[in-house]
Amino acid sequence: EVQLVESGGGLIQPGGSLRLSCAASGFTFSSHAMSWVRQAPGKGLEWVSTISGGGGTTYYAGSVKGRFTISRDNSKNTLSLQMNSLRVEDTAVYYCAKASGSSWNIFDYWGQGTLVTVSS
Amino acid sequence: DIQMTQSPSSLSASVGDRVTITCRASQSISNYLNWYQQKPGKAPKLLIYDASRLQSGVPSGFSGSGSGTDFTLTISSLQPEDFATYYCQQSYSTPYTFGQGTKLEIK
Repeated sequence: EVQLVESGGGLIQPGGSLRLSCAASGFTFSSHAMSWVRQAPGKGLEWVSTISGGGGTTYYAGSVKGRFTISRDNSKNTLSLQMNSLRVEDTAVYYCAKASGSSWNIFDYWGQGTLVTVSS
Repeated sequence: DIQMTQSPSSLSASVGDRVTITCRASQSISNYLNWYQQKPGKAPKLLIYDASRLQSGVPSGFSGSGSGTDFTLTISSLQPEDFATYYCQQSYSTPYTFGQGTKLEIK
């Protein structure tokens, strides 16, 4: 059974940093691209970032480029998102999502999400 | 960036009704269109990928169609568990944008 469990969310002041993690199990982690998708309170879904199975290729949304860094440790089946220079508008539930098959961008399994609140 | 526009934004329907939700892309995305269902407080669930392919385990009452810029998600006969918010997502190019969502409510 595929499981994705996010952690690391919390309350942080504007300008601060936070690191999210996603522990994966139930599939061959290194064979699949992984992504982060966020959802501001009461709002829709926003894709944040994607990383290839091997970790060598990454993509970012314009709203987070230069501030967020996606990474993965295939030896530990863990996906991470380092978030720096956080803004109030980064407040959201952050989901990690597994890519389906050989795709990069069809998200067939999602974690339960971790809430990040950026506020003074 | 490719803009995805869903209509309607909300919809009231009854159990047993046939429902169609539309998604329009701001440019052609071939068939790189996916549909997700999200219930309150839960993560999204993949329903349809590549415009018309049913994800494993999803009931056959869900179907998708379209190509280019215009796409539809159809639920043939609404079940109580189908009341949720539905999102389309283009997987043609980054950023992988979502529609604003369609909230399906019980009439």
